[in-house]
Amino acid sequence: EDQVTQSPEALRLQEGESSSLNCSYTVSGLRGLFWYRQDPGKGPEFLFTLYSAGEEKEKERLKATLTKKESFLHITAPKPEDSATYLCAAVITGGGNKLTFGTGTQLKVEL
Amino acid sequence: ETGVTQSPTHLIKTRGQQVTLRCSSQSGHNTVSWYQQALGQGPQFIFQYYREEENGRGNFPPRFSGLQFPNYSSELNVNALELDDSALYLCASSPDGSNRYTGELFFGEGSRLTVL
Repeated sequence: EDQVTQSPEALRLQEGESSSLNCSYTVSGLRGLFWYRQDPGKGPEFLFTLYSAGEEKEKERLKATLTKKESFLHITAPKPEDSATYLCAAVITGGGNKLTFGTGTQLKVEL
Repeated sequence: ETGVTQSPTHLIKTRGQQVTLRCSSQSGHNTVSWYQQALGQGPQFIFQYYREEENGRGNFPPRFSGLQFPNYSSELNVNALELDDSALYLCASSPDGSNRYTGELFFGEGSRLTVL
């Protein structure tokens, strides 16, 4: 069964304390790996799409990387406004373009 | 350019009732997908409509149904509501619903349904 798993479930960081979120996937064929940010009570906001192992993308303090089994979202020197739930999702071969989501990592950045 | 808009934002129903949620897709997009997000969980795919036809469905019972209109707006209907249907219902649009597309889905803010 196709599965996307995120860890940790929750993460608390001090402002400026860099860390990484993990997304591991067990799928029949990966066509794309997505990262979204979701604020409480809001819809997911697109961050990145990665298509092949070795690919990296950056946006401000965030950097996403992809291997054949997992993806990482690296957060460098986070600020309180980076606090949110980060969701990863896979588009799978034979699955049309539906997203299969993980359960998310709830990040809180404190002063 | 307007984004994806959903209505209503919040609603409360009782068990056994029926509900209709609405979604206007982003300008230029012909595909709408619906997702259910229970508290503390990731969104789960319900179904997708591409050019007014359902072209993909997740593991949801037939009491979850939908429509897409010629202007590409969409409705999600849920009959015989159950307590477990309480969730945030998200609509997402994209410019292409074919199996070739692997680009971004643009999400609305969601409709929060509470079933008592």
